[in-house]
Amino acid sequence: DAGVTQSPTHLIKTRGQHVTLRCSPISGHKSVSWYQQVLGQGPQFIFQYYEKEERGRGNFPDRFSARQFPNYSSELNVNALLLGDSALYLCASSQLDADTQYFGPGTRLTVL
Amino acid sequence: KNQVEQSPQSLIILEGKNCTLQCNYTVSPFSNLRWYKQDTGRGPVSLTIMTFSENTKSNGRYTATLDADTKQSSLHITASQLSDSASYICVVSARSSASKIIFGSGTRLSIRP
Repeated sequence: DAGVTQSPTHLIKTRGQHVTLRCSPISGHKSVSWYQQVLGQGPQFIFQYYEKEERGRGNFPDRFSARQFPNYSSELNVNALLLGDSALYLCASSQLDADTQYFGPGTRLTVL
Repeated sequence: KNQVEQSPQSLIILEGKNCTLQCNYTVSPFSNLRWYKQDTGRGPVSLTIMTFSENTKSNGRYTATLDADTKQSSLHITASQLSDSASYICVVSARSSASKIIFGSGTRLSIRP
């Protein structure tokens, strides 16, 4: 059974551009969460979606948005990219709202 | 303020030795505490998860302890192997609030042959 998958693996953008990151959860998992991990630090919570509804939002600006589709896959969108948005973006899925999360390999975003 | 603090920040030990990593938290109301292992450039992998009523949980050579009274947890690694070299992250969740999933900054563990 496939684990959490994320695409793309790596991405290079310039300041001001926007980016869309994609995540497919483990089959049967209805909750997807997004995290930003800056080099040398722990992941910071961005969003959680459960059954296609936003269940939580971390302390990130409105430039960050996300959605979950009927098949429970999810997209994270970031507009007006800043240099500080360079990070590893992790997606995690779980069966239930507060269950153990399983992480994908992440998308490495570099903003130049 | 909800916080998770880990120590030490980094640790180097010889292969075959044991080590203990620490996690202190102030997250409230407490739901569960998880330890993850993260290889460089990869997503974290769950090692253990403990709720309020559990004070020890093992996963092979990894043993986690939890003291809910002092709000402290430890991760003990026995007979370390080179493949144990990674960051170990402590994550604490608050009850009924998805936004209160607090990650520690991790302990960077290096195993030397």
